[in-house]
Amino acid sequence: GENVEQHPSTLSVQEGDSAVIKCTYSDSASNYFPWYKQELGKGPQLIIDIRSNVGEKKDQRIAVTLNKTAKHFSLHITETQPEDSAVYFCAAPSGSARQLTFGSGTQLTVLP
Amino acid sequence: DSGVTQTPKHLITATGQRVTLRCSPRSGDLSVYWYQQSLDQGLQFLIQYYNGEERAKGNILERFSAQQFPDLHSELNLSSLELGDSALYFCASSAGQMEEKLFFGSGTQLSVL
Repeated sequence: GENVEQHPSTLSVQEGDSAVIKCTYSDSASNYFPWYKQELGKGPQLIIDIRSNVGEKKDQRIAVTLNKTAKHFSLHITETQPEDSAVYFCAAPSGSARQLTFGSGTQLTVLP
Repeated sequence: DSGVTQTPKHLITATGQRVTLRCSPRSGDLSVYWYQQSLDQGLQFLIQYYNGEERAKGNILERFSAQQFPDLHSELNLSSLELGDSALYFCASSAGQMEEKLFFGSGTQLSVL
Protein backbone atom coordinates (compact mmCIF):
# COMPACT_ATOMS: atom_id res chain seq x y z
CA GLY A 1 0.00 0.00 0.00
CA GLU A 2 0.87 3.67 -0.02
CA ASN A 3 3.57 4.88 2.33
CA VAL A 4 3.48 8.60 3.15
CA GLU A 5 6.42 9.93 5.10
CA GLN A 6 6.28 13.37 6.67
CA HIS A 7 9.08 15.52 8.10
CA PRO A 8 9.77 17.10 10.48
CA SER A 9 7.63 15.74 13.31
CA THR A 10 7.98 19.01 15.23
CA LEU A 11 8.80 22.51 14.00
CA SER A 12 9.18 25.75 15.95
CA VAL A 13 9.46 29.10 14.18
CA GLN A 14 9.40 32.72 15.22
CA GLU A 15 6.31 34.70 14.35
CA GLY A 16 6.73 36.19 10.89
CA ASP A 17 9.15 33.52 9.68
CA SER A 18 8.33 30.85 7.12
CA ALA A 19 7.63 27.18 7.80
CA VAL A 20 8.11 24.27 5.41
CA ILE A 21 6.82 20.72 5.89
CA LYS A 22 7.75 17.95 3.47
CA CYS A 23 6.13 14.67 2.49
CA THR A 24 7.14 11.82 0.24
CA TYR A 25 4.86 9.15 -1.19
CA SER A 26 5.44 5.79 -2.81
CA ASP A 27 2.45 5.17 -5.10
CA SER A 28 3.30 6.62 -8.50
CA ALA A 29 -0.40 6.53 -9.44
CA SER A 30 -1.23 9.12 -6.76
CA ASN A 31 -2.48 12.35 -8.28
CA TYR A 32 -4.19 14.20 -5.45
CA PHE A 33 -2.29 15.66 -2.49
CA PRO A 34 -4.15 17.46 0.31
CA TRP A 35 -2.89 19.12 3.47
CA TYR A 36 -4.91 19.17 6.67
CA LYS A 37 -4.58 21.32 9.80
CA GLN A 38 -5.69 19.91 13.14
CA GLU A 39 -6.13 22.25 16.08
CA LEU A 40 -6.35 20.98 19.62
CA GLY A 41 -9.65 19.25 20.31
CA LYS A 42 -10.83 19.45 16.71
CA GLY A 43 -10.90 17.29 13.64
CA PRO A 44 -8.50 17.78 10.72
CA GLN A 45 -9.49 20.58 8.37
CA LEU A 46 -8.48 20.76 4.72
CA ILE A 47 -6.39 23.88 4.11
CA ILE A 48 -5.03 23.34 0.61
CA ASP A 49 -4.78 20.60 -1.98
CA ILE A 50 -3.07 20.08 -5.31
CA ARG A 51 -3.58 17.76 -8.25
CA SER A 52 -0.73 16.34 -10.28
CA ASN A 53 -1.38 18.42 -13.35
CA VAL A 54 0.13 21.48 -11.62
CA GLY A 55 3.40 21.99 -9.79
CA GLU A 56 2.37 24.69 -7.35
CA LYS A 57 -0.76 26.15 -5.82
CA LYS A 58 -1.02 29.18 -3.58
CA ASP A 59 -3.73 30.50 -1.29
CA GLN A 60 -2.74 33.69 0.54
CA ARG A 61 0.01 32.72 3.01
CA ILE A 62 0.02 29.01 2.26
CA ALA A 63 1.32 27.20 -0.79
CA VAL A 64 1.90 23.62 -1.84
CA THR A 65 4.54 22.46 -4.30
CA LEU A 66 4.62 19.07 -6.00
CA ASN A 67 7.49 17.20 -7.62
CA LYS A 68 5.99 14.11 -9.23
CA THR A 69 9.33 12.85 -10.51
CA ALA A 70 10.80 12.81 -7.02
CA LYS A 71 7.43 11.86 -5.45
CA HIS A 72 7.42 14.59 -2.89
CA PHE A 73 5.26 17.56 -2.03
CA SER A 74 5.67 20.36 0.47
CA LEU A 75 3.58 22.83 2.44
CA HIS A 76 4.91 26.37 2.74
CA ILE A 77 3.50 28.86 5.24
CA THR A 78 4.82 32.41 5.03
CA GLU A 79 4.56 35.22 7.58
CA THR A 80 3.57 32.74 10.27
CA GLN A 81 1.21 33.81 13.03
CA PRO A 82 0.48 32.26 16.44
CA GLU A 83 -2.84 30.95 15.13
CA ASP A 84 -0.92 28.83 12.63
CA SER A 85 0.21 26.67 15.58
CA ALA A 86 -1.37 23.23 15.06
CA VAL A 87 -0.63 19.74 13.78
CA TYR A 88 -0.38 19.53 9.98
CA PHE A 89 -0.96 16.33 8.03
CA CYS A 90 -0.21 15.54 4.41
CA ALA A 91 -2.03 12.74 2.61
CA ALA A 92 -2.03 10.81 -0.64
CA PRO A 93 -4.44 8.27 -2.19
CA SER A 94 -3.63 4.59 -1.95
CA GLY A 95 -5.08 1.18 -2.62
CA SER A 96 -7.56 0.12 -5.26
CA ALA A 97 -10.22 2.34 -3.67
CA ARG A 98 -7.82 5.34 -3.55
CA GLN A 99 -8.56 6.18 0.05
CA LEU A 100 -6.32 8.76 1.69
CA THR A 101 -3.27 7.62 3.61
CA PHE A 102 -2.03 10.27 6.02
CA GLY A 103 1.47 11.22 7.04
CA SER A 104 2.43 11.04 10.70
CA GLY A 105 1.86 14.76 11.29
CA THR A 106 3.98 17.82 12.10
CA GLN A 107 3.43 19.81 15.29
CA LEU A 108 4.05 23.43 14.27
CA THR A 109 4.60 25.97 17.03
CA VAL A 110 4.79 29.66 16.16
CA LEU A 111 6.56 31.56 18.90
CA PRO A 112 5.43 35.16 19.53
CA ASP B 1 -17.83 23.94 11.38
CA SER B 2 -17.31 21.16 8.81
CA GLY B 3 -20.96 20.13 8.72
CA VAL B 4 -20.10 16.60 9.87
CA THR B 5 -21.68 15.69 13.21
CA GLN B 6 -20.30 13.01 15.50
CA THR B 7 -21.81 11.77 18.73
CA PRO B 8 -20.97 11.27 21.48
CA LYS B 9 -17.95 13.55 21.98
CA HIS B 10 -16.61 11.44 24.82
CA LEU B 11 -17.15 7.84 25.77
CA ILE B 12 -15.75 6.04 28.79
CA THR B 13 -16.28 2.32 29.09
CA ALA B 14 -14.71 -0.86 30.42
CA THR B 15 -12.81 -3.66 28.73
CA GLY B 16 -15.04 -6.25 27.12
CA GLN B 17 -17.87 -3.82 26.50
CA ARG B 18 -19.47 -2.74 23.21
CA VAL B 19 -20.06 0.82 22.04
CA THR B 20 -21.59 2.56 19.04
CA LEU B 21 -20.27 5.77 17.52
CA ARG B 22 -22.54 7.79 15.29
CA CYS B 23 -21.83 10.11 12.35
CA SER B 24 -24.01 12.36 10.21
CA PRO B 25 -22.27 13.48 7.01
CA ARG B 26 -22.46 16.89 5.41
CA SER B 27 -25.66 17.53 3.56
CA GLY B 28 -25.39 16.02 0.08
CA ASP B 29 -22.27 13.94 0.77
CA LEU B 30 -22.62 10.27 -0.13
CA SER B 31 -19.36 8.89 1.26
CA VAL B 32 -18.55 8.35 4.93
CA TYR B 33 -15.12 7.39 6.20
CA TRP B 34 -13.99 6.26 9.63
CA TYR B 35 -10.48 6.97 10.92
CA GLN B 36 -8.78 6.07 14.18
CA GLN B 37 -6.26 8.49 15.67
CA SER B 38 -3.91 7.37 18.40
CA LEU B 39 -0.68 8.95 19.62
CA ASP B 40 1.60 6.29 18.19
CA GLN B 41 -0.33 5.36 15.02
CA GLY B 42 -1.45 8.71 13.64
CA LEU B 43 -4.58 8.79 11.47
CA GLN B 44 -5.44 5.24 10.41
CA PHE B 45 -8.11 4.57 7.81
CA LEU B 46 -10.68 2.04 8.99
CA ILE B 47 -13.50 1.83 6.46
CA GLN B 48 -15.45 3.76 3.81
CA TYR B 49 -19.09 3.58 2.80
CA TYR B 50 -20.55 5.10 -0.34
CA ASN B 51 -24.29 5.50 -0.67
CA GLY B 52 -24.99 2.67 1.75
CA GLU B 53 -22.45 0.20 0.41
CA GLU B 54 -19.05 -0.69 1.80
CA ARG B 55 -16.45 0.65 -0.62
CA ALA B 56 -13.06 0.24 1.01
CA LYS B 57 -11.62 -1.42 4.06
CA GLY B 58 -8.44 -0.45 5.85
CA ASN B 59 -6.92 -1.60 9.10
CA ILE B 60 -10.23 -2.39 10.76
CA LEU B 61 -10.27 -5.13 13.35
CA GLU B 62 -12.78 -7.97 13.12
CA ARG B 63 -14.21 -6.78 16.46
CA PHE B 64 -15.19 -3.54 14.73
CA SER B 65 -18.00 -3.14 12.22
CA ALA B 66 -19.78 -0.26 10.54
CA GLN B 67 -22.77 0.48 8.40
CA GLN B 68 -24.33 3.35 6.50
CA PHE B 69 -28.07 3.75 6.66
CA PRO B 70 -30.51 4.90 3.94
CA ASP B 71 -30.46 8.44 5.36
CA LEU B 72 -26.64 8.28 4.91
CA HIS B 73 -25.72 8.50 8.55
CA SER B 74 -23.20 5.92 9.69
CA GLU B 75 -22.45 3.97 12.84
CA LEU B 76 -19.20 2.38 13.93
CA ASN B 77 -19.61 -0.50 16.35
CA LEU B 78 -16.69 -1.51 18.54
CA SER B 79 -17.04 -4.73 20.55
CA SER B 80 -15.01 -6.75 23.05
CA LEU B 81 -13.15 -3.55 23.78
CA GLU B 82 -9.52 -3.64 24.86
CA LEU B 83 -7.35 -1.01 26.51
CA GLY B 84 -5.58 -0.47 23.20
CA ASP B 85 -8.80 0.61 21.52
CA SER B 86 -8.65 3.89 23.42
CA ALA B 87 -8.28 6.56 20.75
CA LEU B 88 -9.98 9.39 18.92
CA TYR B 89 -12.35 8.14 16.26
CA PHE B 90 -13.07 10.49 13.40
CA CYS B 91 -15.75 10.37 10.80
CA ALA B 92 -15.30 12.22 7.52
CA SER B 93 -17.53 12.69 4.52
CA SER B 94 -17.10 13.56 0.87
CA ALA B 95 -19.37 14.12 -2.08
CA GLY B 96 -18.15 11.22 -4.20
CA GLN B 97 -16.12 8.07 -3.96
CA MET B 98 -12.43 8.83 -4.21
CA GLU B 99 -9.55 11.28 -4.29
CA GLU B 100 -11.35 14.33 -3.14
CA LYS B 101 -11.83 16.67 -0.25
CA LEU B 102 -12.69 15.04 3.04
CA PHE B 103 -14.57 16.96 5.71
CA PHE B 104 -13.93 15.70 9.22
CA GLY B 105 -16.13 15.75 12.27
CA SER B 106 -14.77 16.75 15.67
CA GLY B 107 -14.32 13.14 16.73
CA THR B 108 -15.32 10.80 19.54
CA GLN B 109 -12.76 10.32 22.30
CA LEU B 110 -13.03 6.71 23.46
CA SER B 111 -11.45 5.73 26.75
CA VAL B 112 -11.43 2.05 27.66
CA LEU B 113 -10.61 1.48 31.33
